[in-house]
Amino acid sequence: AQTVTQSQPEMSVQEAETVTLSCTYDTSESDYYLFWYKQPPSRQMILVIRQEAYKQQNATENRFSVNFQKAAKSFSLKISDSQLGDAAMYFCAYNAGNMLTFGGGTRLMVKP
Amino acid sequence: GAVVSQHPSRVICKSGTSVKIECRSLDFQATTMFWYRQFPKQSLMLMATSNEGSKATYEQGVEKDKFLINHASLTLSTLTVTSAHPEDSSFYICSATSGSRETQYFGPGTRLLVL
Repeated sequence: AQTVTQSQPEMSVQEAETVTLSCTYDTSESDYYLFWYKQPPSRQMILVIRQEAYKQQNATENRFSVNFQKAAKSFSLKISDSQLGDAAMYFCAYNAGNMLTFGGGTRLMVKP
Repeated sequence: GAVVSQHPSRVICKSGTSVKIECRSLDFQATTMFWYRQFPKQSLMLMATSNEGSKATYEQGVEKDKFLINHASLTLSTLTVTSAHPEDSSFYICSATSGSRETQYFGPGTRLLVL
Protein backbone atom coordinates (compact mmCIF):
# COMPACT_ATOMS: atom_id res chain seq x y z
CA ALA A 1 0.00 0.00 0.00
CA GLN A 2 1.12 3.50 -0.75
CA THR A 3 1.92 5.79 2.15
CA VAL A 4 2.65 9.49 2.29
CA THR A 5 4.60 11.00 5.18
CA GLN A 6 4.88 14.62 6.18
CA SER A 7 7.41 14.72 8.99
CA GLN A 8 6.80 18.32 10.03
CA PRO A 9 3.52 18.77 11.91
CA GLU A 10 4.14 22.51 12.15
CA MET A 11 6.39 25.02 10.44
CA SER A 12 6.86 28.73 10.90
CA VAL A 13 8.22 31.32 8.49
CA GLN A 14 8.76 35.05 8.56
CA GLU A 15 6.81 37.05 6.05
CA ALA A 16 8.76 37.49 2.80
CA GLU A 17 11.09 34.61 3.65
CA THR A 18 11.28 31.16 2.07
CA VAL A 19 10.10 27.92 3.62
CA THR A 20 10.29 24.29 2.52
CA LEU A 21 7.74 21.65 3.50
CA SER A 22 8.85 18.03 3.35
CA CYS A 23 7.01 15.03 1.95
CA THR A 24 8.11 11.47 1.33
CA TYR A 25 6.11 8.62 -0.09
CA ASP A 26 6.39 4.91 -0.57
CA THR A 27 5.29 3.18 -3.77
CA SER A 28 6.24 0.40 -6.14
CA GLU A 29 4.64 2.19 -9.08
CA SER A 30 6.66 4.01 -11.72
CA ASP A 31 3.87 6.15 -13.12
CA TYR A 32 2.03 8.37 -10.68
CA TYR A 33 1.15 11.92 -9.80
CA LEU A 34 1.97 14.02 -6.77
CA PHE A 35 0.11 17.02 -5.44
CA TRP A 36 0.28 19.69 -2.81
CA TYR A 37 -3.03 20.99 -1.51
CA LYS A 38 -3.57 23.94 0.80
CA GLN A 39 -6.35 24.04 3.37
CA PRO A 40 -6.81 27.50 4.91
CA PRO A 41 -9.05 28.14 7.95
CA SER A 42 -12.08 28.11 5.65
CA ARG A 43 -11.26 24.39 5.16
CA GLN A 44 -11.59 24.63 1.38
CA MET A 45 -8.99 22.33 -0.20
CA ILE A 46 -7.07 24.28 -2.85
CA LEU A 47 -4.70 22.75 -5.37
CA VAL A 48 -1.28 24.36 -5.07
CA ILE A 49 0.82 22.35 -7.48
CA ARG A 50 0.91 19.07 -9.38
CA GLN A 51 3.84 16.94 -10.57
CA GLU A 52 3.82 14.05 -13.00
CA ALA A 53 6.34 11.40 -12.02
CA TYR A 54 7.49 10.87 -15.60
CA LYS A 55 8.58 14.50 -15.84
CA GLN A 56 12.08 15.26 -14.63
CA GLN A 57 11.49 18.99 -14.53
CA ASN A 58 10.23 20.29 -11.22
CA ALA A 59 6.81 21.93 -11.35
CA THR A 60 6.48 25.61 -10.48
CA GLU A 61 3.49 27.87 -9.93
CA ASN A 62 4.47 31.47 -9.25
CA ARG A 63 5.94 31.51 -5.71
CA PHE A 64 5.45 27.76 -5.27
CA SER A 65 7.89 25.18 -6.55
CA VAL A 66 8.67 21.58 -5.81
CA ASN A 67 11.84 19.55 -5.48
CA PHE A 68 10.89 16.15 -6.87
CA GLN A 69 13.46 13.44 -6.22
CA LYS A 70 11.97 10.28 -7.72
CA ALA A 71 14.71 7.89 -6.64
CA ALA A 72 14.51 9.16 -3.08
CA LYS A 73 10.69 9.29 -3.23
CA SER A 74 10.76 12.82 -1.96
CA PHE A 75 8.48 15.68 -2.98
CA SER A 76 9.10 18.90 -1.05
CA LEU A 77 7.28 22.20 -1.52
CA LYS A 78 9.13 25.49 -1.48
CA ILE A 79 7.22 28.69 -0.85
CA SER A 80 9.14 31.83 -1.74
CA ASP A 81 8.36 35.35 -0.53
CA SER A 82 5.91 33.99 2.02
CA GLN A 83 2.75 35.98 2.53
CA LEU A 84 0.30 36.09 5.42
CA GLY A 85 -2.28 34.43 3.20
CA ASP A 86 -0.04 31.38 2.87
CA ALA A 87 -0.83 30.41 6.45
CA ALA A 88 -2.74 27.13 6.22
CA MET A 89 -2.54 23.36 6.48
CA TYR A 90 -0.61 21.87 3.59
CA PHE A 91 -1.25 18.32 2.47
CA CYS A 92 0.97 16.28 0.19
CA ALA A 93 -0.92 13.68 -1.85
CA TYR A 94 -0.13 10.77 -4.17
CA ASN A 95 -2.21 9.27 -6.97
CA ALA A 96 -1.28 6.20 -9.00
CA GLY A 97 -4.75 5.14 -10.04
CA ASN A 98 -7.86 7.05 -9.26
CA MET A 99 -7.45 7.56 -5.53
CA LEU A 100 -5.55 10.17 -3.58
CA THR A 101 -3.45 9.14 -0.60
CA PHE A 102 -2.81 12.06 1.73
CA GLY A 103 -0.05 12.80 4.17
CA GLY A 104 -0.88 13.89 7.69
CA GLY A 105 -0.42 17.56 6.88
CA THR A 106 1.87 20.40 7.93
CA ARG A 107 0.51 23.52 9.58
CA LEU A 108 2.32 26.57 8.25
CA MET A 109 2.34 29.74 10.31
CA VAL A 110 3.50 33.02 8.78
CA LYS A 111 4.85 35.67 11.12
CA PRO A 112 4.39 39.33 10.14
CA GLY B 1 -9.70 26.10 -12.47
CA ALA B 2 -12.49 23.60 -12.08
CA VAL B 3 -15.21 24.45 -9.59
CA VAL B 4 -16.99 22.07 -7.27
CA SER B 5 -19.86 23.19 -5.08
CA GLN B 6 -21.24 21.51 -2.01
CA HIS B 7 -24.54 22.12 -0.26
CA PRO B 8 -25.35 22.72 2.49
CA SER B 9 -22.23 24.25 4.00
CA ARG B 10 -23.48 23.64 7.50
CA VAL B 11 -26.29 21.54 8.92
CA ILE B 12 -27.54 20.80 12.41
CA CYS B 13 -29.96 17.94 12.86
CA LYS B 14 -31.51 15.82 15.56
CA SER B 15 -30.30 12.33 16.31
CA GLY B 16 -32.17 9.75 14.23
CA THR B 17 -32.86 11.97 11.25
CA SER B 18 -31.29 11.71 7.81
CA VAL B 19 -29.22 14.39 6.13
CA LYS B 20 -28.45 14.74 2.43
CA ILE B 21 -25.35 16.53 1.16
CA GLU B 22 -25.02 17.48 -2.50
CA CYS B 23 -21.80 17.77 -4.49
CA ARG B 24 -21.82 19.36 -7.93
CA SER B 25 -19.15 19.90 -10.55
CA LEU B 26 -20.07 23.25 -12.07
CA ASP B 27 -17.87 23.54 -15.14
CA PHE B 28 -16.79 20.02 -16.02
CA GLN B 29 -18.15 16.51 -16.23
CA ALA B 30 -17.06 14.44 -13.28
CA THR B 31 -16.67 10.79 -14.14
CA THR B 32 -15.68 10.07 -10.57
CA MET B 33 -16.56 11.76 -7.30
CA PHE B 34 -15.12 11.07 -3.90
CA TRP B 35 -16.43 11.57 -0.39
CA TYR B 36 -14.10 12.30 2.50
CA ARG B 37 -14.49 12.83 6.19
CA GLN B 38 -12.16 15.04 8.16
CA PHE B 39 -11.84 15.13 11.93
CA PRO B 40 -10.37 18.21 13.63
CA LYS B 41 -6.65 18.67 13.03
CA GLN B 42 -6.45 15.49 10.97
CA SER B 43 -6.02 14.61 7.35
CA LEU B 44 -8.80 13.63 4.99
CA MET B 45 -10.14 10.11 5.26
CA LEU B 46 -11.62 8.64 2.09
CA MET B 47 -15.07 7.21 2.68
CA ALA B 48 -16.14 6.14 -0.79
CA THR B 49 -15.61 6.51 -4.50
CA SER B 50 -18.53 6.90 -6.84
CA ASN B 51 -18.69 6.63 -10.60
CA GLU B 52 -21.60 7.97 -12.57
CA GLY B 53 -24.28 5.37 -13.06
CA SER B 54 -22.74 2.68 -10.89
CA LYS B 55 -22.65 1.70 -7.23
CA ALA B 56 -20.20 3.43 -4.98
CA THR B 57 -17.12 1.67 -3.69
CA TYR B 58 -16.77 2.05 0.07
CA GLU B 59 -13.56 2.03 2.04
CA GLN B 60 -13.07 -0.55 4.74
CA GLY B 61 -14.92 0.34 7.90
CA VAL B 62 -17.43 2.66 6.23
CA GLU B 63 -21.02 1.44 6.54
CA LYS B 64 -22.65 1.58 3.14
CA ASP B 65 -26.15 1.39 4.62
CA LYS B 66 -25.44 4.38 6.80
CA PHE B 67 -23.71 6.54 4.23
CA LEU B 68 -25.76 6.26 1.05
CA ILE B 69 -24.08 7.61 -2.06
CA ASN B 70 -25.78 8.31 -5.34
CA HIS B 71 -24.02 9.54 -8.47
CA ALA B 72 -26.93 10.01 -10.81
CA SER B 73 -25.30 12.31 -13.35
CA LEU B 74 -21.89 13.49 -14.47
CA THR B 75 -22.27 16.65 -12.41
CA LEU B 76 -24.01 15.53 -9.22
CA SER B 77 -23.30 13.15 -6.38
CA THR B 78 -25.16 12.99 -3.09
CA LEU B 79 -24.22 11.61 0.30
CA THR B 80 -27.06 10.77 2.67
CA VAL B 81 -26.24 10.16 6.29
CA THR B 82 -29.09 7.95 7.48
CA SER B 83 -30.28 7.82 11.07
CA ALA B 84 -27.58 10.24 12.10
CA HIS B 85 -26.04 10.00 15.55
CA PRO B 86 -23.78 12.42 17.42
CA GLU B 87 -20.71 10.38 16.45
CA ASP B 88 -21.48 11.18 12.81
CA SER B 89 -20.79 14.84 13.52
CA SER B 90 -17.86 15.80 11.34
CA PHE B 91 -16.67 17.76 8.33
CA TYR B 92 -17.57 16.06 5.05
CA ILE B 93 -15.79 17.01 1.83
CA CYS B 94 -16.44 15.89 -1.71
CA SER B 95 -14.11 16.02 -4.68
CA ALA B 96 -14.54 15.43 -8.37
CA THR B 97 -12.32 14.47 -11.24
CA SER B 98 -12.81 14.26 -15.00
CA GLY B 99 -10.71 11.15 -15.44
CA SER B 100 -8.32 8.64 -13.97
CA ARG B 101 -5.20 10.28 -12.59
CA GLU B 102 -6.63 13.69 -13.27
CA THR B 103 -6.54 16.33 -10.59
CA GLN B 104 -9.24 16.10 -7.94
CA TYR B 105 -11.03 19.37 -7.26
CA PHE B 106 -12.66 19.77 -3.90
CA GLY B 107 -15.92 21.22 -2.72
CA PRO B 108 -15.94 23.66 0.21
CA GLY B 109 -17.12 21.01 2.66
CA THR B 110 -20.16 20.48 4.88
CA ARG B 111 -20.04 20.75 8.63
CA LEU B 112 -22.53 18.31 10.16
CA LEU B 113 -23.57 18.55 13.78
CA VAL B 114 -25.91 15.90 15.16
CA LEU B 115 -27.56 16.77 18.45
